[in-house]
Amino acid sequence: EIVLTQSPGTLSLFPGERATLSCRASQSVSSNNLAWYQQKSGQAPRLLIYGVSSRAAGIPNRFSGSGSGTDFTLTISRLEPEDFAVYYCQQYGSSNFGGGTKVEIK
Amino acid sequence: EVQLVESGGGLVQPGGSLRLSCAASGFTFSNYWMSWVRQAPGKGLEWVANIKEDGSEQYYLDSVKGRFTISRDNAKKSLYLQMNSLRAEDTAVYYCARDSSGHYNAWGQGTLVTVSS
Repeated sequence: EIVLTQSPGTLSLFPGERATLSCRASQSVSSNNLAWYQQKSGQAPRLLIYGVSSRAAGIPNRFSGSGSGTDFTLTISRLEPEDFAVYYCQQYGSSNFGGGTKVEIK
Repeated sequence: EVQLVESGGGLVQPGGSLRLSCAASGFTFSNYWMSWVRQAPGKGLEWVANIKEDGSEQYYLDSVKGRFTISRDNAKKSLYLQMNSLRAEDTAVYYCARDSSGHYNAWGQGTLVTVSS
């Protein structure tokens, strides 16, 4: 079973800053089978990125995904007020999720 | 508009049973694998079970095997989760999610299941 470890646990940033979130897998993730989700307080998760780097429908281009093998990154180029939330990575094979990174306002 | 609406959550005693439902609309339900994903209070996301488009295959999280059963009715555009022998650790918000080649591109609003005496 592939275990996903997200870091940092919490990221404190100002609006307008760049956010870089990490997702590390315990084994290589095959076929780019990695996705990212955003979850705001009291809401269901929302798909942001799939296939490592493809943005889901309606997702702004300030969100981007990259990486390969065991190391993956979600980048938010300039944080908007609505981007402060918890972010999860997920690998498709066993549908495992990472523990999440909370992006909070500094 | 794609919509998934869960129902059936509530308070149940340990050892009890509950059946969750998810009503789908706005897409061809029978073309998609479907999943249940849960989130314990203050915790992360955990996949619970999924089912193939025609219902012929189902897969489960190890900790719910033998206790939970996922099923679907394509004519009614509905997904179900029968949960038996419930434990305190099953307490969570349960989400219905549309599976698109392994990632989840549509989610319901969730239904809360609380297992407590």
